[in-house]
Amino acid sequence: KAGVTQTPRYLIKTRGQQVTLSCSPISGHRSVSWYQQTPGQGLQFLFEYFSETQRNKGNFPGRFSGRQFSNSRSEMNVSTLELGDSALYLCASSLEASGTYNEQFFGPGTRLTVL
Amino acid sequence: AQSVTQPDIHITVSEGASLELRCNYSYGATPYLFWYVQSPGQGLQLLLKYFSGDTLVQGIKGFEAEFKRSQSSFNLRKPSVHWSDAAEYFCAVGPTFTGGGNKLTFGTGTQLKVEL
Repeated sequence: KAGVTQTPRYLIKTRGQQVTLSCSPISGHRSVSWYQQTPGQGLQFLFEYFSETQRNKGNFPGRFSGRQFSNSRSEMNVSTLELGDSALYLCASSLEASGTYNEQFFGPGTRLTVL
Repeated sequence: AQSVTQPDIHITVSEGASLELRCNYSYGATPYLFWYVQSPGQGLQLLLKYFSGDTLVQGIKGFEAEFKRSQSSFNLRKPSVHWSDAAEYFCAVGPTFTGGGNKLTFGTGTQLKVEL
């Protein structure tokens, strides 16, 4: 079974631009979470989607948004990019069987550089 | 709010030596606890998890961790380190209530270097 896929793997943008990152979960997985990883702040939770609905949200400004499609694929968007948005963005998917915690499987990440 | 502390930013051990990485958490109740490993340029791989029951849990690659409620700790151990274990290790906590979602709170990570 294929793992979590994130595209693109690397991205370079300039300040003020916007960017869209994509995540394809493992087949059959219905929950997708996004994390930002930076040297200064570490791994921080952005948001989680389940059945096309945002279920949890981290403490990030409104410039960060996401969505999930009916096939569970997810995208996150960052508008008006700032230098501090340079980071590795990780996506994780889980099966979401009811009544039990669901192990999250992480993708390789998208490395975003803002110049 | 929940938090996770990994007091050691860097650790260097010799190949074949034992390893212990420390993790302390702050949470309203006993959370779900995890250890992840990240190799350079890679995503996170789950090493092991603790939900309940036996406080000593076994994971992949020969790792184990012990949950100590009285110390709010979940330290990761390996009896004999291999050069391929060099990576960054993250401790994390997750929600314990059904329907709480899958949000993980991570520690700042411990970078492990293995000397040959």
